[in-house]
Amino acid sequence: GAGVSQSPSNKVTEKGKDVELRCDPISGHTALYWYRQSLGQGLEFLIYFQGNSAPDKSGLPSDRFSAERTGESVSTLTIQRTQQEDSAVYLCASSTMNTGELFFGEGSRLTVL
Amino acid sequence: AQSVAQPEDQVNVAEGNPLTVKCTYSVSGNPYLFWYVQYPNRGLQFLLKYITGDNLVKGSYGFEAEFNKSQTSFHLKKPSALVSDSALYFCAVRGANSGYALNFGKGTSLLVTP
Repeated sequence: GAGVSQSPSNKVTEKGKDVELRCDPISGHTALYWYRQSLGQGLEFLIYFQGNSAPDKSGLPSDRFSAERTGESVSTLTIQRTQQEDSAVYLCASSTMNTGELFFGEGSRLTVL
Repeated sequence: AQSVAQPEDQVNVAEGNPLTVKCTYSVSGNPYLFWYVQYPNRGLQFLLKYITGDNLVKGSYGFEAEFNKSQTSFHLKKPSALVSDSALYFCAVRGANSGYALNFGKGTSLLVTP
């Protein structure tokens, strides 16, 4: 596609359930990022994938959070045993390695009741 | 560690007046600096970046930013604001030798009134 695609756009779940968020990056972009945007908190870095290199997981807030990426394609962010504080907009971005300019999707809004 | 500070939560400007959105940064080594804009219920859009070269960088929609190494600042500016510029603006930084993850500020809400 022309841009970064994320699904679902909205997800409401109950506390304790697992959720999966999907990101389809721009074709040819080797780098993929996940960020979390909470009200008044700006963007919080979660995880970064670059090609077949080991991902940079330094931003994951707890072991309930994990992410996978197959090659240079789709990525899924999984949150296990969701908590209310996980409610946020989860943004995915991709880029070519050289420019550093990130292209963002429109995000997945997660609400944990 | 690298970080960004956007000291103003909100900036109010009358249409036609110049606007400035402030950003200061902290990073080891040379910085790569970025500005992004977020319209309501939308993802972030790239405005401009500084990697190297001329300290004054021009970007999309008539925006520009000036890199000031001595003041570790990268303020966003526009000579004449439009109502349609009202949005949330994010400054971001990464070090030239510190990986590819961008650190974002908390954002500044810009309101341009007619």
